[in-house]
Amino acid sequence: EPEVTQTPSHQVTQMGQEVILRCVPISNHLYFYWYRQILGQKVEFLVSFYNNEISEKSEIFDDQFSVERPDGSNFTLKIRSTKLEDSAMYFCASNEVVRGYTFGSGTRLTVV
Amino acid sequence: DQQVKQNSPSLSVQEGRISILNCDYTNSMFDYFLWYKKYPAEGPTFLISISSIKDKNEDGRFTVFLNKSAKHLSLHIVPSQPGDSAVYFCAATPYNQGGKLIFGQGTELSVKP
Repeated sequence: EPEVTQTPSHQVTQMGQEVILRCVPISNHLYFYWYRQILGQKVEFLVSFYNNEISEKSEIFDDQFSVERPDGSNFTLKIRSTKLEDSAMYFCASNEVVRGYTFGSGTRLTVV
Repeated sequence: DQQVKQNSPSLSVQEGRISILNCDYTNSMFDYFLWYKKYPAEGPTFLISISSIKDKNEDGRFTVFLNKSAKHLSLHIVPSQPGDSAVYFCAATPYNQGGKLIFGQGTELSVKP
């Protein structure tokens, strides 16, 4: 069964450093997303991406965040200057119309 | 902003019995609802969905019921199995073609042998 692949599975970074989280969505999907889950809290929407541009973003997705689809397969989330409160599980997802989203297994980001 | 609420943080059920997980929503613009199952250190796994034009959708042991007037949906699992033990998230979206999902807080289901 097709999967959404995320790398790395765990990233530890120092506060103030830039991180890039990588995702390979399912190849024939058209919509791509990033969500995050802070420990013990609900899964929160960050951003959606369609047709090579952001279609919607949440208030969490401020100027420190950016997304890119640098080639035909990868979808990346960049955090420019990480803060302690950015520590969370980050999930990439992709969507085929009419069906449920498929989520990746997540990247655990720890900011120290 | 709690547009989707799961008021029971946990539920314990005996193997073979029915598990009923509940979800309430406040936004009448939601017209597509999904249930996800999540194990620790894994991403949410899609289980079943329902469009607002239906009141029931069934897939094997899983059935989702939607009561639009009450803005309430429920997931029934019957019979429950120990492998069903996980956190279940209800999610909603105002459209089913690429819209963002709004998640509830999750209910941790424990199915005891």
